[in-house]
Amino acid sequence: RKEVEQDPGPFNVPEGATVAFNCTYSNSASQSFFWYRQDCRKEPKLLMSVYSSGNEDGRFTAQLNRASQYISLLIRDSKLSDSATYLCAVNIFKNDKLIFGTGTRLQVFP
Amino acid sequence: GAVVSQHPSRVICKSGTSVKIECRSLDFQATTMFWYRQFPKQSLMLMATSNEGSKATYEQGVEKDKFLINHASLTLSTLTVTSAHPEDSSFYICSARDADRGTNEAFFGQGTRLTVV
Repeated sequence: RKEVEQDPGPFNVPEGATVAFNCTYSNSASQSFFWYRQDCRKEPKLLMSVYSSGNEDGRFTAQLNRASQYISLLIRDSKLSDSATYLCAVNIFKNDKLIFGTGTRLQVFP
Repeated sequence: GAVVSQHPSRVICKSGTSVKIECRSLDFQATTMFWYRQFPKQSLMLMATSNEGSKATYEQGVEKDKFLINHASLTLSTLTVTSAHPEDSSFYICSARDADRGTNEAFFGQGTRLTVV
């Protein structure tokens, strides 16, 4: 089993739609969780950290479910500019290596 | 956010030659940097953890004699791909954390697209 797993997609959604991605992790000792966005042929950029209580940043909401060992990302009112690959990342210890999922490709169409 | 600079951004080299990639933290000190590799339509795979002043820690399956890592200062880590072959063609990305920030956020360099012909 992979350490971090994601559905690769692609998710094709119209503008204005709400879309959700899940990411599962295998190590129950994992402490820190993140969502990154990666545009084609570019480096990943941090979208948001995922906190135990869940957190929201504008149209984006991240949740953590420790019991089931997954994190989620919800995007509301999708924009064309949201089209990208969304990577979840996990690490076990602070300042330890980040392990990435395969990424989920999102394509928002007009 | 903190700035990590990586160069070159793109390099084409002949098979059998070596290529050096630099990763610099511009506005913070990074005792630890990470090197990743990404093949097309795949995720970032960690190659090694680079520790300032000591040997790098390589992930399973990564040849340490082929991918030489040097982390001589708190702001610079280098990855040298030795005797490159076409199968080494990939997107190489470094990352670092700013320990003084108190967050666990990793900042990435711009990546280096290596093509071996």
